[in-house]
Amino acid sequence: QSALTQPASVSGSPGQSITISCTGTSSDVGGFNYVSWYQQHPGKAPKLMIYDITNRPSGVSNRFSGSKSGNTASLTISGLQAEDEADYSCSSYTTTSTLVFGGGTKLTVL
Amino acid sequence: EVQLLESGGGLVQPGGSLRLSCAASGFTFSSYVMSWVRQVPGKGLEWVSAISGSGGGTYYADSVKGRFTISRDSSKSTLYLQMNSLRAEDTAVYYCAKDLDVVMPTAMDYWGQGTLVTVSS
Repeated sequence: QSALTQPASVSGSPGQSITISCTGTSSDVGGFNYVSWYQQHPGKAPKLMIYDITNRPSGVSNRFSGSKSGNTASLTISGLQAEDEADYSCSSYTTTSTLVFGGGTKLTVL
Repeated sequence: EVQLLESGGGLVQPGGSLRLSCAASGFTFSSYVMSWVRQVPGKGLEWVSAISGSGGGTYYADSVKGRFTISRDSSKSTLYLQMNSLRAEDTAVYYCAKDLDVVMPTAMDYWGQGTLVTVSS
């Protein structure tokens, strides 16, 4: 159950788009459509932003989108806003019927 | 409104035990998988364990298998995590989370505010 690989940090200016990658293996990201993304502000609980690779829960802005190619999933945030500054983590279902998270990516809005 | 309220955290010595509880409301408790996720302050999220809506399926991370036991009481809409043989590396904030699925852990759409567990002598 090795953690999924995410970049430690990404940054972008307001209005720009950024993409965060999440790399796993064929035993997790590549093998299932159960990839999710979570946003977490300091001192707060995580918030589900994307589930099943591409789906947005009700109330999540359509500026957030997800995709997957092979063993790598991606979260794209378009039209960056100051309130998007947070930590983002991916997760995936695995062949051992468990979940595995990525190490998290700190997004800085310049 | 979905609410998840964890309790039971605190300071415990290495080798000791602790039981966390999570009181749920605002949804049909027995219809969803429930999970425990932990986070060392300043670090990433780590999935710990999950239990199916019926309680018949339980799932554990390798790091806690054999030491932690997850359970649920649908009559009380409460999730539990019994933690035995605690180690320093179990120190973290423990979150209770509701899943979208009924059988297996996939994605967690509601989270509690967390309870801090500190394992130290």
